[in-house]
Amino acid sequence: GAGVSQSPSNKVTEKGKDVELRCDPISGHTALYWYRQSLGQGLEFLIYFQGNSAPDKSGLPSDRFSAERTGGSVSTLTIQRTQQEDSAVYLCASSINLGEQYFGPGTRLTVT
Amino acid sequence: RKEVEQDPGPFNVPEGATVAFNCTYSNSASQSFFWYRQDCRKEPKLLMSVYSSGNEDGRFTAQLNRASQYISLLIRDSKLSDSATYLCVVNSPEYGNKLVFGAGTILRVKS
Repeated sequence: GAGVSQSPSNKVTEKGKDVELRCDPISGHTALYWYRQSLGQGLEFLIYFQGNSAPDKSGLPSDRFSAERTGGSVSTLTIQRTQQEDSAVYLCASSINLGEQYFGPGTRLTVT
Repeated sequence: RKEVEQDPGPFNVPEGATVAFNCTYSNSASQSFFWYRQDCRKEPKLLMSVYSSGNEDGRFTAQLNRASQYISLLIRDSKLSDSATYLCVVNSPEYGNKLVFGAGTILRVKS
């Protein structure tokens, strides 16, 4: 079956512009996560959606970052007024409750 | 204290060696445990789940020690292709069962 998909795969943007990153989780997966990973670094948790519960936004680094999940499925991560330090790979993952996470291929964001 | 802690390594081992990684977790109520593998510039992928009774998959063995709150991964007969970062993952009951990743342990297998 289809795995987690993310779009775009690569995004180059100018400093100060807004970007939207999209994640399509595996159908039926109730949990959805966003992470970012800078080159050579570990995964940095950003936000967690679980069913209809309020999202856990504890990992969002600033108020320029926001995410939503519509209809319990597709999620969009928005970064406003991008900065060079936002350059990283943004990974999305989905899972069923306590089950293992499945990751998408990521979006490589470059802010120039 | 971090929820999930791992030795970052790197572990540099020759081909054919046996290597073991440990990972400690802070919440005694955690119920789900996994090992993931991440290759350079790739997304993490599930290596194996960790069950209470321990489990083995070929050259890989995972163990859970609830009393001491750690999980382990043993790799026997290391191959060059085992070189990767190994990530320990534990669910966090106090945060809606969010899965929490450790920072990873780097393994380099050399010929």
